[in-house]
Amino acid sequence: NAGVTQTPKFRVLKTGQSMTLLCAQDMNHEYMYWYRQDPGMGLRLIHYSVGEGTTAKGEVPDGYNVSRLKKQNFLLGLESAAPSQTSVYFCASIGGENYGYTFGSGTRLTVV
Amino acid sequence: GEDVEQSLFLSVREGDSSVINCTYTDSSSTYLYWYKQEPGAGLQLLTYIFSNMDMKQDQRLTVLLNKKDKHLSLRIADTQTGDSAIYFCAESENTPLVFGKGTRLSVIA
Repeated sequence: NAGVTQTPKFRVLKTGQSMTLLCAQDMNHEYMYWYRQDPGMGLRLIHYSVGEGTTAKGEVPDGYNVSRLKKQNFLLGLESAAPSQTSVYFCASIGGENYGYTFGSGTRLTVV
Repeated sequence: GEDVEQSLFLSVREGDSSVINCTYTDSSSTYLYWYKQEPGAGLQLLTYIFSNMDMKQDQRLTVLLNKKDKHLSLRIADTQTGDSAIYFCAESENTPLVFGKGTRLSVIA
């Protein structure tokens, strides 16, 4: 099925560990986004990409890095995880005439 | 910067109408959106309205846009327990979208 796929769905990290979250879309969308969702905070934009090989910072980029080496994939990296990065992470891509987002189902990350 | 405000909670009885309100600051928004998030899931695009429209109806959903007051509302007729979710308002003049914090709708049977 066409859409946005995020892996993994769940992960527990120890403080200081690193990991990469993968977002893959098969809709040939140019624009892709990483958000984090925390209780009472809504969705906050971490980084985004307007095309293969490009990335840009969002509202809360510190502690994260991203790469868009292939158009269909957008990777979010945590170099040294901190408890403050415990969150649900959502990837989205944009397409269609109304420019609405298609979201992945999320990655629930806990840093202990 | 751009901002989108929503009330955080709404509780309604099954069968009643629900009205979720949203205000935004960017007067140049081209599209305005309503997304629905069910527990443990990602956000789904529920409906959208183009900025030159005042109203859009889609089955049980009615979207009203007041551009003068920068006010957007989503009305759900005959609210069902399956409508219990968080509803996000979002606006866009250019990407990225700016989201409100979401309104949690609880439907009481």
